[in-house]
Amino acid sequence: AQKVTQAQTEISVVEKEDVTLDCVYETRDTTYYLFWYKQPPSGELVFLIRRNSFDEQNEISGRYSWNFQKSTSSFNFTITASQVVDSAVYFCALSEDFGNEKLTFGTGTRLTIIP
Amino acid sequence: EAEVAQSPRYKITEKSQAVAFWCDPISGHATLYWYRQILGQGPELLVQFQDESVVDDSQLPKDRFSAERLKGVDSTLKIQPAELGDSAMYLCASSLARGSGGYNEQFFGPGTRLTVL
Repeated sequence: AQKVTQAQTEISVVEKEDVTLDCVYETRDTTYYLFWYKQPPSGELVFLIRRNSFDEQNEISGRYSWNFQKSTSSFNFTITASQVVDSAVYFCALSEDFGNEKLTFGTGTRLTIIP
Repeated sequence: EAEVAQSPRYKITEKSQAVAFWCDPISGHATLYWYRQILGQGPELLVQFQDESVVDDSQLPKDRFSAERLKGVDSTLKIQPAELGDSAMYLCASSLARGSGGYNEQFFGPGTRLTVL
């Protein structure tokens, strides 16, 4: 069975601070995909990143960076120099089967950036 | 840019009433998903279609929920009768066909927020 754990329910930081959102996953498959989605108050899910299990390279996109470590089954997300527009709920998700892209989501982390 | 369309965006109903949600996937996307997101939780898959066939409905409460995708294009999710615990966001997503090679990204619609009174 697959499982995604986001232990941080809510985080608040002052604008311009860096913040890291944690994600730990469980899967029996050797081939899988990990994702981060952003859900602003309007409710839609905004795709941020996909990473496959064979690619452990960290990725940076602007102020966003992701740290994938298979040894600890973690896929953490860091926002550098946070902005008020980053306030949202962030979900980590796992897709286990190649060809069956059902997503298993974590419970989300509500991030509030204080101006 | 192509988007997944959902309607209505908001629905308020009384318990015991019937309610239906509609989803129109991105053109050409053979796979369609319905997820339910209860407040404070992550989305959970209710049903997955490949064209008009159900691929996975293991988490669909079949005593009150039904889903169809008759022509393999748009889809309807119905609840009858609605219960208080059904209050949630219902999200539709679509992707290219399973097994078509590579990973097929899921694109999400804006969701339908259901409130059952």
